[in-house]
Order: sequence, then C-alpha cells, then structure tokens
Amino acid sequence: QVQLQESGPGLVKPSETLSLTCTVSGGSVSSSGNYWSWIRQPPGKGLEWIAYISYNGGTSYSPSLKSRVTMSVDTSKNQVSLNLNSVTAEDTALYYCARYSGHHWTFDYWGQGTPVTVSA
Amino acid sequence: DIQLTQSPSFLSASVGDRVTITCRASRGVASYLAWYQQRPGKAPELLIYAASTLQSGVPSRFSGSGSGTEFTLTISSLQPEDFASYYCQQTNTYPITFGQGTRLEIK
Repeated sequence: QVQLQESGPGLVKPSETLSLTCTVSGGSVSSSGNYWSWIRQPPGKGLEWIAYISYNGGTSYSPSLKSRVTMSVDTSKNQVSLNLNSVTAEDTALYYCARYSGHHWTFDYWGQGTPVTVSA
Repeated sequence: DIQLTQSPSFLSASVGDRVTITCRASRGVASYLAWYQQRPGKAPELLIYAASTLQSGVPSRFSGSGSGTEFTLTISSLQPEDFASYYCQQTNTYPITFGQGTRLEIK
C-alpha cells in the first residue's frame, strides 16, 4: 500500500520560496509508470493541479504556475519535492502530494496534505 | 485549458436517495474523466476513472457514465458516509483540470 507524507514550513513570507517534501513509502519513486504530483486547495475552495514528475525525472507544470515552480526527485530518500518561488497570499492553501497513475491517468493515492500560509 | 463545470454546486438530499451530479467539459475529453470524493478534513479519494470504471474498493452504489463533454456521477442509494464534496477531473488535455466541486449535504 503506497503511503505519502507531506512536510513543509507551515508559514512562508511573501516573495519568499515555498519548499515542500513528499516522502513515499510502500513504493519506489523511480518505479516505471509512477508519476508524482502536487495539488493544492485554497481554504474553502476547489482543487488545483500544480505539477508532476515522472519516474524518470520528466516534469510537467501547470501553465499558470510554470514560471515559479520546480519539482525534483531524490531516489535515495524516496522523496519528491516542490519549490514555489515569489509566493503571495494567493498561494495560501493545503498542499497535497499524490501519485498520478500512469495506468489510468488519475490520482490514486494521496497524502493527508500540509497547510501553507503566506503571511508577513 | 479545459474548463469543467459541475452541476449542481450544492445538493441537499436524504439517506436512501438517488442523486446525480453532472460534469460538463468545455471541449471533448474522450473518456479521460475521473471522479473523487472528499470528506471534510480529509484528502480526496478516487471513486471512478475512465468515466465509468469503479476504483477497487469503492461501493457499487457509485457509478459513472458519459464521454466527450458530458459526464455523470450517480449514487444509487445515499449512505451517511456519502455526504461529502465531489470533484470531476480530466486528463485528456494538459493542464490537468478539476471541476469546482459539488457539496452534498444531508437534508
């Protein structure tokens, strides 16, 4: 059973860089067919896809965030990471890590989410 | 981007009711449409993928249908644990997009 655990700073100042980590257990981040994604949910609102990284390191970013986002993978720690720079209050959200299945192109495993508030 | 519009945005129903939620896409997405359930304070869970295929472990009272631009999620007989928010999601065309959500509450 794949499990994902997000971790992050909780509070970030405007204009700074948000860095989040997702630790994967029960599966390998480098297994063929696995893609790892970040999705966020502002308070009281819906879901927004941010990015994904593939098992071989290929990335895809949402056009609306592409200029500010970077995803990476650390196979030695079985982790994926997200960096979002130049944050504003609009980046305040619950950030989820999810496995994006290459089998049927859906998010089949999710972490519990990590809250991020952007405030001075 | 492909816009997904869910209707209704809010639905009030009773235990045992049959309910249907619709998801309309601004352009065709073939059958690359999934449905998720999100209970309060929890992460979303995958219910249906490929428009009509039930994810393993999901009760059979849930069903999905549609292709192209119009899709439906039906719950045949509401149970207390079904009162939650529901989201559709497409992966036919990047970027991946979600509907705005449907909140299902107890009448």
